[in-house]
Amino acid sequence: GDSVTQMEGPVTLSEEAFLTINCTYTATGYPSLFWYVQYPGEGLQLLLKATKADDKGSNKGFEATYRKETTSFHLEKGSVQVSDSAVYFCALSDPHTGNQFYFGTGTSLTVIP
Amino acid sequence: EPEVTQTPSHQVTQMGQEVILRCVPISNHLYFYWYRQILGQKVEFLVSFYNNEISEKSEIFDDQFSVERPDGSNFTLKIRSTKLEDSAMYFCASWDPFAGANVLTFGAGSRLTVL
Repeated sequence: GDSVTQMEGPVTLSEEAFLTINCTYTATGYPSLFWYVQYPGEGLQLLLKATKADDKGSNKGFEATYRKETTSFHLEKGSVQVSDSAVYFCALSDPHTGNQFYFGTGTSLTVIP
Repeated sequence: EPEVTQTPSHQVTQMGQEVILRCVPISNHLYFYWYRQILGQKVEFLVSFYNNEISEKSEIFDDQFSVERPDGSNFTLKIRSTKLEDSAMYFCASWDPFAGANVLTFGAGSRLTVL
């Protein structure tokens, strides 16, 4: 069945460091891929998305490229800030398996000044 | 910006008690969802709801669970007789299929603690 596997945390980085959070997926069809972010005390917010192979989603300096050949959607940011401290969830939605989303376990990121 | 609202933010209950978690989805959305996250584990799909009926449900969503849209705005999740393993964060989400590729809008979550 469909599933998402993402890098285990927690991740601690210094401000301005480079961030990568790995995400790979398994899907029977052609899924859409997402990164959601959860700031402390808040709900899951869409960070970026990509709907087909080779698409790049980007938002707030974060980027992720839909790689069909490696079934990956790794999240990257060139220079993290303290305000980026949050939990990041990789997710997929596969129209072939209905309307549900499949989430990874989440990766906690802490950025220290 | 429109948002999904959930209440309560945290509920503590005794095992065997009934719990109702409430959600107010975005007003023009058509699909509604409940997900849960047990601490340290994946966000898991429970149920989706469309046109006043369940459209999909997972294995987790057994007879102890039910959902209802009692009026035009609320969407509730009821757990009939809570177990210790029901302790989790429960997220409500809604979706407008005409707004683009399957983007769910989530609420802040309701933390349920079963003692």
